[in-house]
Amino acid sequence: QKEVEQNSGPLSVPEGAIASLNCTYSDRGSQSFFWYRQYSGKSPELIMSIYSNGDKEDGRFTAQLNKASQYVSLLIRDSQPSDSATYLCAVNDGGSQGNLIFGKGTKLSVKP
Amino acid sequence: GAVVSQHPSWVICKSGTSVKIECRSLDFQATTMFWYRQFPKQSLMLMATSNEGSKATYEQGVEKDKFLINHASLTLSTLTVTSAHPEDSSFYICSAPPPLAGLFFGPGTRLTVL
Repeated sequence: QKEVEQNSGPLSVPEGAIASLNCTYSDRGSQSFFWYRQYSGKSPELIMSIYSNGDKEDGRFTAQLNKASQYVSLLIRDSQPSDSATYLCAVNDGGSQGNLIFGKGTKLSVKP
Repeated sequence: GAVVSQHPSWVICKSGTSVKIECRSLDFQATTMFWYRQFPKQSLMLMATSNEGSKATYEQGVEKDKFLINHASLTLSTLTVTSAHPEDSSFYICSAPPPLAGLFFGPGTRLTVL
């Protein structure tokens, strides 16, 4: 059973701080990794994708991947109240074309 | 980025009626689409994989006769909730993989069965 694990939170950080979200996955064969943001009552929105070890930066977001440790993380710099949402980690399901295996999500709360 | 639309965005129906939800990929073709369900404060649950031109693949515990899926074209998949009951009330979301990796989600359909 392929699994993606996330701490459900809530993770609370003050405005302007760095929020660090973590995720581990069970399938060593996974090749593609994604972070989605989901606001309450809305569908998930893709914010980052990463495919190789190391860091990938996009604006205030940095995704980090360590395949040896089967670990992927998302850093949000200068956190804003508008970043308050649930963040879903997802990993490709090699056995199903196009499908992803999702973690249960980490709820982030950024306090003004 | 790739766009996936869903219609309707919300629907309220009486118990026992059937409801059809449409999912369209607007700027790319999708031979595969996925249908998810999400109950309040719960995680996404994959219900089924919709395959263009062939039968859908359902996840364990999902009744295929209750949740009818049709993927008649490369840009359209439909989910019909037949004989809906209050316990079917949920947020239904479709997604499709664009040519590049990842999944793009439709905006979701909130179903309320009275």
